[in-house]
Amino acid sequence: AQSVTQLGSHVSVSEGALVLLRCNYSSSVPPYLFWYVQYPNQGLQLLLKYTTGATLVKGINGFEAEFKKSETSFHLTKPSAHMSDAAEYFCAVSAQGGGGNKLTFGTGTQLKVEL
Amino acid sequence: DAGVIQSPRHEVTEMGQEVTLRCKPISGHDYLFWYRQTMMRGLELLIYFNNNVPIDDSGMPEDRFSAKMPNASFSTLKIQPSEPRDSAVYFCASSSQTGMAGELFFGEGSRLTVL
Repeated sequence: AQSVTQLGSHVSVSEGALVLLRCNYSSSVPPYLFWYVQYPNQGLQLLLKYTTGATLVKGINGFEAEFKKSETSFHLTKPSAHMSDAAEYFCAVSAQGGGGNKLTFGTGTQLKVEL
Repeated sequence: DAGVIQSPRHEVTEMGQEVTLRCKPISGHDYLFWYRQTMMRGLELLIYFNNNVPIDDSGMPEDRFSAKMPNASFSTLKIQPSEPRDSAVYFCASSSQTGMAGELFFGEGSRLTVL
């Protein structure tokens, strides 16, 4: 079984500051890991994903995440926050090679960007 | 290509009434998922289908909930009778086994309010 834990349900940063959203996973098999973003009154959109290979993955809108197996983490970062980044972010995990693409989501982190 | 289409976007009903939510997945996708999102419980997987066949319905909360997928381009989630605690946003998502591993494409959701 897989699960993810997102530390901090609310994160607030200043515009231009570093964004760091934390995600730790638990998986009995090699995982696929994802970050999704949800803007108000919309569905979830894929930001980036890790499957195999390079552990630092880059996504849309300047976000990136690093898969650290030793720490069972997949934290999301962005060097400089923009007002448009304000949204809810979800980390998710699925099992490699099976599971029918069944994703298990974390509880989400609401990102607030202040002037 | 059109994305995942859900209807209705908003539904307000009274307790005891039947509710039917509809979903049209992306053409060519062979997996379809129904998720429920609430403030208290986050995103919960209710059921998913592969090639129109239900694979895992362990997330369906009660017998009041049922889901069908009569063909590759249509699915319904039905609640009968509805209760106030069913108030939530219901998301449909689809994916392709042969496509980008584990990437789900979400609809914009159906916001259900049961009075």
